[in-house]
Amino acid sequence: GAGVSQTPSNKVTEKGKYVELRCDPISGHTALYWYRQSLGQGPEFLIYFQGTGAADDSGLPNDRFFAVRPEGSVSTLKIQRTERGDSAVYLCASSFGPSGNTIYFGEGSWLTVV
Amino acid sequence: QKEVEQNSGPLSVPEGAIASLNCTYSDRGSQSFFWYRQYSGKSPELIMFIYSNGDKEDGRFTAQLNKASQYVSLLIRDSQPSDSATYLCAVIPGGYNKLIFGAGTRLAVHP
Repeated sequence: GAGVSQTPSNKVTEKGKYVELRCDPISGHTALYWYRQSLGQGPEFLIYFQGTGAADDSGLPNDRFFAVRPEGSVSTLKIQRTERGDSAVYLCASSFGPSGNTIYFGEGSWLTVV
Repeated sequence: QKEVEQNSGPLSVPEGAIASLNCTYSDRGSQSFFWYRQYSGKSPELIMFIYSNGDKEDGRFTAQLNKASQYVSLLIRDSQPSDSATYLCAVIPGGYNKLIFGAGTRLAVHP
């Protein structure tokens, strides 16, 4: 596709359930980022992949959050035992490399935990 | 202290005026600075980046960087109602490969 694709675009889940959010970056982009944005706030960094490996996962809030990128392309953000505080927009972004001037964001996955 | 700080606004300007948006950052080692625009319900869109002290102009937009004072600003000339959005300042801290965002400034341009 032409841009960063994220699925699902909207997800409503019950507290305690497991959720997976998928990101398909722009073809050829080696760097992939996950951010979380709450209402009225700027995007908050979660994790950065360079290729298949997580180069920086310092933003993951706790061990309920995990992300993978097994083949260096598609990435999945996994959230276990969801809590109401996890409700936010989860944004994925990609770039050719670790250079902010070429970073492109997807439209986000809106997660609501009820 | 937050790493990137912005006035949340709203900043209200009349159509045709200059809108001035400001941002300060805490990491002196930061080398790369970005302005993103975000419309309600949409994802951030890069509008400007700046690496060197001074001004950088692109159409109606001018980014200004002062590393000694650790601030970066965005000027929007001839503001249009379509410029009404939240403007996010973002910084790549020294030694890192990730964007750190401010909370954003909401801009409202009224006819």
